[in-house]
Amino acid sequence: DGGITQSPKYLFRKEGQNVTLSCEQNLNHDAMYWYRQDPGQGLRLIYYSQIVNDFQKGDIAEGYSVSREKKESFPLTVTSAQKNPTAFYLCASRPRGWFNYGYTFGSGTRLTVV
Amino acid sequence: AQTVTQSQPEMSVQEAETVTLSCTYDTSESDYYLFWYKQPPSRQMILVIRQEAYKQQNATENRFSVNFQKAAKSFSLKISDSQLGDAAMYFCAYRSARSGGGADGLTFGKGTHLIIQP
Repeated sequence: DGGITQSPKYLFRKEGQNVTLSCEQNLNHDAMYWYRQDPGQGLRLIYYSQIVNDFQKGDIAEGYSVSREKKESFPLTVTSAQKNPTAFYLCASRPRGWFNYGYTFGSGTRLTVV
Repeated sequence: AQTVTQSQPEMSVQEAETVTLSCTYDTSESDYYLFWYKQPPSRQMILVIRQEAYKQQNATENRFSVNFQKAAKSFSLKISDSQLGDAAMYFCAYRSARSGGGADGLTFGKGTHLIIQP
């Protein structure tokens, strides 16, 4: 079945460490997104990519980095510069040009700083 | 920048009853899309219903329907015959119809927690 796979489901990070969250899709979607979810805050856009080798900052990009070397993959790195990284992270995708298409979401990664 | 407001942090309804979740948004654009997403305890985001701003007819998907008032910038979700499986967080979201640049990405409200009383 087609979908988005996020891994790991749970991730623990020590202070000062960089960690990378994986997002893989087999939907042949061109656009991919990373959102952060905090309690009572809804979802906020971190980064997005509409095509391979191109990506744009969202509303809260500071302390995060991404790459898009393959259409299927859009990994998110949470760097040590991110002051409050504990959150739930969701990856999403959308077919190119389908602006009225509701995005498909992965099942998320819960990141906790220990 | 667009904003989406959900004024009801939590709602409760008896099973089989009808409930309406509110959403308002602020935009200067005339063409856009609106969505309602459901997030059950599994945390998976599930698309419930979508509405194109240029369509006057309100969208309907089985027990779910919307009341879209473009002039009032209001987009409420009505759930009829509520079921225990409807219990979840519900998020209203906005997307510009413009392509490229900073127009991509969904803007979400903070969500409404829906409780279904058996």
